[in-house]
Amino acid sequence: DQQVKQNSPSLSVQEGRISILNCDYTNSMFDYFLWYKKYPAEGPTFLISISSIKDKNEDGRFTVFLNKSAKHLSLHIVPSQPGDSAVYFCAASAHVSGADGLTFGKGTHLIIQP
Amino acid sequence: DGGITQSPKYLFRKEGQNVTLSCEQNLNHDAMYWYRQDPGQGLRLIYYSQIVNDFQKGDIAEGYSVSREKKESFPLTVTSAQKNPTAFYLCASRTQFSYNEQFFGPGTRLTVL
Repeated sequence: DQQVKQNSPSLSVQEGRISILNCDYTNSMFDYFLWYKKYPAEGPTFLISISSIKDKNEDGRFTVFLNKSAKHLSLHIVPSQPGDSAVYFCAASAHVSGADGLTFGKGTHLIIQP
Repeated sequence: DGGITQSPKYLFRKEGQNVTLSCEQNLNHDAMYWYRQDPGQGLRLIYYSQIVNDFQKGDIAEGYSVSREKKESFPLTVTSAQKNPTAFYLCASRTQFSYNEQFFGPGTRLTVL
């Protein structure tokens, strides 16, 4: 059963507009969430993260929002640029459980239209 | 430059053969991980190691084996017992001081013929 879900396999956004990527999780033990960006045949690149004690974290054009009660997080990219076209993975960890490793969603392919 | 290297980039093997994928890091990271990615899927954890000479199974460890004899190196062996070995394999590492941010290598594409 998928513990981290990204329900949109793809998303198309016009350059300059806001891109919003969504992620839902089911495991209430998750206490740390990360977003990675990935190009084909390359390793993922870390973008931004958020701890469960916060509801927002911002880094330049990227902002992650966490709604614990809804078990939902989202990544906002403003403004969207052509170089943002990639697959974005949401990941989560249950640090307090003592286990290690990340649980990933299936990814959302973001396409920035000129 | 510091980073994680995986070799080779592409690997072909005949069915029934074992193959070892290399992962080396010079970031002085304590923990290392192996993930597998299949088309249209997220990354799934195979094995991880938090310290030298110790490692734990991840979600899909069957048919795989690892060793951690040195801090810098965490090789993964795909054995003939792995039923669907064709995939993109990713190695990652992190320092004990980062909560869970993992840094990934470029990956190895394994194809079983």
